[in-house]
Amino acid sequence: EPEVTQTPSHQVTQMGQEVILRCVPISNHLYFYWYRQILGQKVEFLVSFYNNEISEKSEIFDDQFSVERPDGSNFTLKIRSTKLEDSAMYFCASIGQPYEQYFGPGTRLTVT
Amino acid sequence: GQQVMQIPQYQHVQEGEDFTTYCNSSTTLSNIQWYKQRPGGHPVFLIQLVKSGEVKKQKRLTFQFGEAKKNSSLHITATQTTDVGTYFCAGGHGQNFVFGPGTRLSVLP
Repeated sequence: EPEVTQTPSHQVTQMGQEVILRCVPISNHLYFYWYRQILGQKVEFLVSFYNNEISEKSEIFDDQFSVERPDGSNFTLKIRSTKLEDSAMYFCASIGQPYEQYFGPGTRLTVT
Repeated sequence: GQQVMQIPQYQHVQEGEDFTTYCNSSTTLSNIQWYKQRPGGHPVFLIQLVKSGEVKKQKRLTFQFGEAKKNSSLHITATQTTDVGTYFCAGGHGQNFVFGPGTRLSVLP
C-alpha cells in the first residue's frame, strides 16, 4: 500500500535556528498538506499546496514558515527561526482520489 | 473562522459497550472526514461523508452526516480493546479541513 514518508522522525533544534522538515507524498496525489499537533492536542492545519503553489494557509503559518516542492517528489516545510512554541509533531498529508487523506508518520520537533 | 467541536472529550467504556462521538461545525460543510489516531501514531483516515443525511457503515462503525451538513457522529457497536485511540472529525470545505479536538476512547477489558 502506498504511504507518505517523513524525515527526520525526530528533530531537536535550538531556538532561533532554521529547520527543514521533509515529506514524500504519495506519487499520484495532487494536494499536499502540513499539519501540526502539540502533544495531547488536536491536529491543526498549517497549509495546503496544489499545483505547485499554496492553496490555503492558516493563521499559524506566518512569515517564519514556507513550503516548497523542489523536485516533484519531495515536499518540505521550512521554519526560519524556531521558537519554543513551535515544538510539536508535524504531519505531512496528501490527498488523491476519492479524497482520502493519507498522513505520514510525523516529525517530532523539539525546540530547546 | 470555522470551528469544529467534538463531544465528549474523553470516554471510558467497558469492552462490549457501545460508543458514540459527536462532531459539530460552526459552518455548513462540503464534506466531513473521520480519523483514528492511536497513542503515539498518526491520524488514519476512516471515512468521508459528502451527502446530507448520509449514513455509512464499516463493520462495527456507523457514520452519519447531518441533514444540515453541520454535524456528524461516529458510533461503535460492541467496542473492543483494539478500538482504543482518539477519534477526530475533520470538517471539509473542498480540499481543506479543520479538525475537531477529538474524543479519546478507552476500552476496559
